[in-house]
Amino acid sequence: KQEVTQIPAALSVPEGENLVLNCSFTDSAIYNLQWFRQDPGKGLTSLLLIQSSQREQTSGRLNASLDKSSGRSTLYIAASQPGDSATYLCAVNTNAGKSTFGDGTTLTVKP
Amino acid sequence: DTGVSQDPRHKITKRGQNVTFRCDPISEHNRLYWYRQTLGQGPEFLTYFQNEAQLEKSRLLSDRFSAERPKGSFSTLEIQRTEQGDSAMYRCASSPHNNEETQYFGPGTRLLVL
Repeated sequence: KQEVTQIPAALSVPEGENLVLNCSFTDSAIYNLQWFRQDPGKGLTSLLLIQSSQREQTSGRLNASLDKSSGRSTLYIAASQPGDSATYLCAVNTNAGKSTFGDGTTLTVKP
Repeated sequence: DTGVSQDPRHKITKRGQNVTFRCDPISEHNRLYWYRQTLGQGPEFLTYFQNEAQLEKSRLLSDRFSAERPKGSFSTLEIQRTEQGDSAMYRCASSPHNNEETQYFGPGTRLLVL
């Protein structure tokens, strides 16, 4: 059974700081891995998707890496802004149809 | 609006009643997913459809839960004889049938069982 863990559960940083969010998974036979952002009371917004054959993906100030062999992914956020405050969720797909989510890291960026 | 839509957005019901939720995916997306999310946790997979075929069901989906996607477009999720433990946010997502498999989520239906 796939298990996904995100550490830390909560993180508070001053504006402008670079930060890393971590995601680990137990079954390395994954199809892809996706990072989402969830704002309070809102739905999930896809940030980055990494295929199993890829090592990283970048979008603006975000960079996600994937190391299948060690069962880890990181989401790097550069020059954090208060608008980045949200919960960040990692989801692992072990086949084309089922996603296993972590419980998220709640990020607060203080002005 | 061409995103995933869900109806209703909120539902309050009494224990023992049946409820039905609807999800309209992004047009041309042939995969549709249902999840349940409780406070402080990530979404838990319930079931998924490829067109009208229900291909996988979680063990979380007890016999009181049923989902359909009769024409391969919108989907319904029905909960019979609701229990207080069913209170959660029920989320729907859709994805195109391509190599990316990016899932696009709807706003969710919040269920409260009294």
